[in-house]
Amino acid sequence: EAGVAQSPRYKIIEKRQSVAFWCNPISGHATLYWYQQILGQGPKLLIQFQNNGVVDDSQLPKDRFSAERLKGVDSTLKIQPAKLEDSAVYLCASSSPLRGLANTGELFFGEGSRLTVL
Amino acid sequence: AQSVTQLGSHVSVSEGALVLLRCNYSSSVPPYLFWYVQYPNQGLQLLLKYTTGATLVKGINGFEAEFKKSETSFHLTKPSAHMSDAAEYFCAVTPGGYQKVTFGTGTKLQVIP
Repeated sequence: EAGVAQSPRYKIIEKRQSVAFWCNPISGHATLYWYQQILGQGPKLLIQFQNNGVVDDSQLPKDRFSAERLKGVDSTLKIQPAKLEDSAVYLCASSSPLRGLANTGELFFGEGSRLTVL
Repeated sequence: AQSVTQLGSHVSVSEGALVLLRCNYSSSVPPYLFWYVQYPNQGLQLLLKYTTGATLVKGINGFEAEFKKSETSFHLTKPSAHMSDAAEYFCAVTPGGYQKVTFGTGTKLQVIP
């Protein structure tokens, strides 16, 4: 079974530029998450999708960050314009099988996209 | 609301010694608890999880953790450290269902030969 795929793995941009990250979750996983992990900190949830609807985006800086999951499968996270403090690893995760099986909250993570803003 | 506190951002042990990584949680409902491991330049990988039932849970690579409701703790242990255990470990909590999973700040484990 293929895992969570993310791209690009690494991205370096200047501040005020834009960047987009892509994620393809495990097949059949209805829930998709974007986490931000700043060096030395734990992952912080940016946005959680259930199919193509948003469940939680309370910590997403909506003035510069946006995310979409149009067909309930893959997702894109965009930052525009980027700031120095956006330098972090952006982790995508997915969970829960379809058809109402109990979601115990176990997350399956991709390898992450490391963003450096200069 | 829920939260996780991991005591000690860095822990060093000798190879063959006991590993103990501490995690305390706060949750308004019975929690689901997890330990994840992160190797350099990789995503997080599940080590073990507690959902319901037996409070001592065993995971991969010889790790185990015990859910202690009275102490609101979920400490991770391994009897004998191996060099390959050097990594960062994250404790996480969720009420379950489709609710948010909250992570601690992580503990970096160093294993000294």
